[in-house]
Amino acid sequence: KQEVTQIPAALSVPEGENLVLNCSFTDSAIYNLQWFRQDPGKGLTSLLLIQSSQREQTSGRLNASLDKSSGRSTLYIAASQPGDSATYLCALTQGGSEKLVFGKGTKLTVNP
Amino acid sequence: EAGVVQSPRYKIIEKKQPVAFWCNPISGHNTLYWYLQNLGQGPELLIRYENEEAVDDSQLPKDRFSAERLKGVDSTLKIQPAELGDSAVYLCASSRQGAETQYFGPGTRLLVL
Repeated sequence: KQEVTQIPAALSVPEGENLVLNCSFTDSAIYNLQWFRQDPGKGLTSLLLIQSSQREQTSGRLNASLDKSSGRSTLYIAASQPGDSATYLCALTQGGSEKLVFGKGTKLTVNP
Repeated sequence: EAGVVQSPRYKIIEKKQPVAFWCNPISGHNTLYWYLQNLGQGPELLIRYENEEAVDDSQLPKDRFSAERLKGVDSTLKIQPAELGDSAVYLCASSRQGAETQYFGPGTRLLVL
């Protein structure tokens, strides 16, 4: 059974700092991996999607990498801002299924 | 483009009472998902619809949970009777058939007393 782990569970950083969020998974036979953002009381917003054949994706200050062989993905946030404060979840799908398997998330706080 | 709409946003009920949640997906999205999110956890899929057909309901506790998607658009998720452990956020998401990006609604936060 696929298990997705996100460490740390919570992270607090000062504004302007670059940071990395980690996601690991137990079964490397994945179809794609996504990073989502969830604000309190709101739904999830997809940030980046990496296909299994890709190594990374970039959008603005965000860069996500994928290393299937080691079962790891990272989300890099450059020059963090207070508006980046949210919970970040990684989720993946496996071949033949559109079912997303989520980690528990990392709650990020960026302090002004 | 309007996003996924869910109602109600909050619901408080006593245990053993029935409750229903409603979801209106993004126009043109054939695939609809219901997820359960417990506090401090990631969402877990309850059921997935392709148009009117439930194609994956393996995680739906069928003794008390039911869902329908009449006409392949709106969907309702029902719990009868509710238990204390059902307190959670119920998320609805939709996507174009075969697409990889799911769009989530704001969720319904359920509290069972």
